[in-house]
Amino acid sequence: GESVGLHLPTLSVQEGDNSIINCAYSNSASDYFIWYKQESGKGPQFIIDIRSNMDKRQGQRVTVLLNKTVKHLSLQIAATQPGDSAVYFCAEPKGGGTSYGKLTFGQGTILTVHP
Amino acid sequence: GAGVSQSPSNKVTEKGKDVELRCDPISGHTALYWYRQSLGQGLEFLIYFQGNSAPDKSGLPSDRFSAERTGGSVSTLTIQRTQQEDSAVYLCASSPHGTDPNTGELFFGEGSRLTVL
Repeated sequence: GESVGLHLPTLSVQEGDNSIINCAYSNSASDYFIWYKQESGKGPQFIIDIRSNMDKRQGQRVTVLLNKTVKHLSLQIAATQPGDSAVYFCAEPKGGGTSYGKLTFGQGTILTVHP
Repeated sequence: GAGVSQSPSNKVTEKGKDVELRCDPISGHTALYWYRQSLGQGLEFLIYFQGNSAPDKSGLPSDRFSAERTGGSVSTLTIQRTQQEDSAVYLCASSPHGTDPNTGELFFGEGSRLTVL
């Protein structure tokens, strides 16, 4: 079955460093992936998505890399700031659905940025 | 408001009681989702509404859970005969998209924290 999981449950970095958050997936047929950020006491917030016909996609200070060969997804945050401290989730559409909003989420990685 | 609004923000109830959780999506958003977030299970999909189509209820954990969406806008999630394992944060999300384009970009509310004693 499909599943989305994370290698590292916690990541601690210094302000200004680059952060890399990793995610593994098991369903080789998955064609869409998405990253969310969740700050304490708030709902998840969309960061960036990528379709399987791409290897890389860039946003503002964030880059998502997709390696379909090893079924691995990563989120890179450049010049990490204290405001980036949050839980980061990778997600993919649940099997059997037509809407990409019907998601299976990974367990999450806690990113802590030290000033 | 500009975002998804959920109420109540916190609800404490006794085992066996019924609860209703409300979601006001962003105006004009056609798709509405309910998710549940708990320590043991993480973020789980519950139910999805798209326009006037029949809802996708495939994530509801038991028949004690139901949801409706009136007039294509406000949604209510109802949990009957609550159990302690129902304790979680219930998150509502909306999206301006259906499946065209198909995207996982959802706008989440801050959630309703349910505690069943």
